[in-house]
Formats: sequence, C-alpha cells, structure tokens
Amino acid sequence: EPEVTQTPSHQVTQMGQEVILRCVPISNHLYFYWYRQILGQKVEFLVSFYNNEISEKSEIFDDQFSVERPDGSNFTLKIRSTKLEDSAMYFCASRTGSTYEQYFGPGTRLTVT
Amino acid sequence: EDQVTQSPEALRLQEGESSSLNCSYTVSGLRGLFWYRQDPGKGPEFLFTLYSAGEEKEKERLKATLTKKESFLHITAPKPEDSATYLCAVQASQGGSEKLVFGKGTKLTVNP
Repeated sequence: EPEVTQTPSHQVTQMGQEVILRCVPISNHLYFYWYRQILGQKVEFLVSFYNNEISEKSEIFDDQFSVERPDGSNFTLKIRSTKLEDSAMYFCASRTGSTYEQYFGPGTRLTVT
Repeated sequence: EDQVTQSPEALRLQEGESSSLNCSYTVSGLRGLFWYRQDPGKGPEFLFTLYSAGEEKEKERLKATLTKKESFLHITAPKPEDSATYLCAVQASQGGSEKLVFGKGTKLTVNP
C-alpha cells in the first residue's frame, strides 16, 4: 500500500540554523500539506500546496518558513532560522484530487537546541 | 473559529469492554469530519471520513457516527492492540479551506 515517507526521522539543530525537512507524498496525490505537533499538544496546520503554489497557510507559517516541490516526487519544508519553539514533530500529508482524506507520513522530530 | 473538543482525554478499558469516544465540533460549514489513530511517536493513520449527519462508517471493531454537532467513535469488544490516541478533525467547506482542525485526542488504553 502506498505511503507518505519523510526524512530524516529525527533532526537536531542549533538555534538560528536552517533546516530542510523532506517528504515524498503518495505518487498520484495532488494536494500536499505540512502540519506540526508540539509534544503533548494538538496537531496544527501549517500550509497546503496545490498546483505548484501555496493554497492556504496558517499564522504559524511566517516568513521563516517556505515550501517547495523541486521535482515530481519530493515536497520540502524549509525553516530559515530555527527557534527553540520550532521543536516539534513535523508531519507531511497528501491527498488525491477526488477525496478529502489526508494521508500522513511518519513525521520528522525536530529538536532545536 | 472552527473548533474540535474530544472527550474523555483518556480512557482505560478492559479487553472486551465496549465504549464510545466523543468529538464535539463547531465549523463554518462541514466539508468532512475525519477520525485518525495515532500511535506514540508516529503520524496519524486515517480511519474514517464522515460527510453528513446520520452517516455511519465501520471498520473491524470501530464504528463512527455523525450528528450536526458531534461524532462518536464506538469501540466494540476492544483488544489491547486498539490502544492508541484517537484524533478527530474537521474540514470547513467555507472559503475552500484545505486545513484539518484537530482535537487533542482521546488516549485509549485497553488492558488484557
């Protein structure tokens, strides 16, 4: 069964450094998402991406964040200058064009020290 | 603002002891209500989508139902492997929103 994959599974970085989190969505999916979950808190929406552009973003998704689909398979989230409060699990998700359920990857645990 | 509240926060059951989890929601037009299962340190695993009041979906020991204000996830004769956090999420239809708004989840523990 096709799955969303994410790399790395765990990333440790120092405050102020740039990080890139990578995702490979399910191959026939058209809509792509990033969510985050701070330990013990709700899963929060960051951004949605369709047809090579951002379709919706949350207040969390400020100028420090960017997304890219550099080729036909990868979808990336970049944080330009990480802060301590960016420490969280980051989930990539995707869906087809004909149904609304989003399928999530296993997540990348980002630890900012 | 769209909101999802799940109760209880935690639930302990004995194997075979059936129960229900609640998800109350307020949303500006419901496109869909989604149930996910999340194991510790893992991503949410899709279970069900419900689109309109009165709809029901079933999968093994799980059954999800929907009214205009809430959804229930009924667990019949649970097994220890059903232990997980169950998340409810809604998607609004107004404005073409893509985001899922999640509740905090119900942590279910099933003891053998």
